[in-house]
Amino acid sequence: AQSVTQPDIHITVSEGASLELRCNYSYGATPYLFWYVQSPGQGLQLLLKYFSGDTLVQGIKGFEAEFKRSQSSFNLRKPSVHWSDAAEYFCAVGGYSSASKIIFGSGTRLSIRP
Amino acid sequence: DGGITQSPKYLFRKEGQNVTLSCEQNLNHDAMYWYRQDPGQGLRLIYYSQIVNDFQKGDIAEGYSVSREKKESFPLTVTSAQKNPTAFYLCASSPGLAGVETQYFGPGTRLLVL
Repeated sequence: AQSVTQPDIHITVSEGASLELRCNYSYGATPYLFWYVQSPGQGLQLLLKYFSGDTLVQGIKGFEAEFKRSQSSFNLRKPSVHWSDAAEYFCAVGGYSSASKIIFGSGTRLSIRP
Repeated sequence: DGGITQSPKYLFRKEGQNVTLSCEQNLNHDAMYWYRQDPGQGLRLIYYSQIVNDFQKGDIAEGYSVSREKKESFPLTVTSAQKNPTAFYLCASSPGLAGVETQYFGPGTRLLVL
């Protein structure tokens, strides 16, 4: 069965510190992997996605993610967070075998300490 | 500006009442989706449509209905059969298949029960 696990419900990081949000997935075929961000009371916006090629993917707002097939992981990173990065982050998995839909993780809420 | 609009932003439902949430897109996307978001949970798919006059049930379709008479519009009706409708509802669209394409989200509608 397809699934996504985000083990951290809530993370607090100091402004200027580095960030890593964890995502593990289960998918029977070649996965398409996504990270979305949601500001409070808003819709979701795509940060980045991976489907093939270089396993280190660059996204918007200075975020990057690394696909590790052996670990079934797609962790999101940022070298230095800004107060505006406070939001909820969702990892998602899809692919051609589930072409009509993607599966979202339960999300990680990021707070920034001044 | 291209995008997805949802209305209203807040909606109140009385017991036994059907209510309809509006979703419109001007991105010329073929596929549209409705998700439900509850606190601490990821997005759960209610219905999706890949083409006009066709739609499919998602994972939690019971108590909901949709129509897709126009490419731009995908309204969601929350019927009286949905016993726990209080949630944040998100509409999305994509140029093709959700499993492999970026989804674009509207700002959401928060539904509350009186």
